[in-house]
Amino acid sequence: DIQMTQSPSSLSASVGDRVTITCRASQSISGYLNWYQQKPGKAPSLLIYDVRSLESGVPSRFSGSGSGTDFTLTISSLQPEDFATYYCQQSYSTPSITFGQGTRLEIK
Amino acid sequence: QLQLQESGPGLVKPSETLSLTCTVSGGSISSSSYFWGWIRQPPGKGLEWIGTIYYRGRTYYNPSLKSRVTISVDTSKNQFSLKLSSVTAADTALYYCARLVQSGKPIWGQGTLVTVSS
Repeated sequence: DIQMTQSPSSLSASVGDRVTITCRASQSISGYLNWYQQKPGKAPSLLIYDVRSLESGVPSRFSGSGSGTDFTLTISSLQPEDFATYYCQQSYSTPSITFGQGTRLEIK
Repeated sequence: QLQLQESGPGLVKPSETLSLTCTVSGGSISSSSYFWGWIRQPPGKGLEWIGTIYYRGRTYYNPSLKSRVTISVDTSKNQFSLKLSSVTAADTALYYCARLVQSGKPIWGQGTLVTVSS
């Protein structure tokens, strides 16, 4: 099974900060990596698919990069509505998928 | 626009079987391009893949749940279903159904909370 490890597990940042969240796969997953945002009480919402493709309606301050085993989600300038939990998910081994453990982004 | 909707009992007794159905609208479950999966999230915890089915019926399960999980598909109703047997309090979670694809957008339902309690 492919294991996904996110870092950090939690992060405190201020509005306007540039933030990077990392996701590492236990083996190469090529370009098959998705990112989700989840706010309390809501379903995860797709932000980015296939490493860097922005879901419709997602602000351009979100971007993704990486390949192979190492991937990043970057928020260029944090907005108040961005404080949430973020998950990566590998789709390389679809129909079997795995998620990172999540990164909780909190207000400093 | 494709939509998925979970349905089923919100309360299940310990040792019984949890049963949920996902209804797909705005598209066909019989598309050869996609898989259909179940994912869960216990309160305050992360996301766990439960299992996946292809429209022709082939199934794939998380090894940690495999002995208790059955996923089936009804193409005539554009639905797929989850059964989880011998549930305990540890199975209390939000359960999501999703359209899965290796490359491209996954699409999720809004989720349904299932509580295991007597």
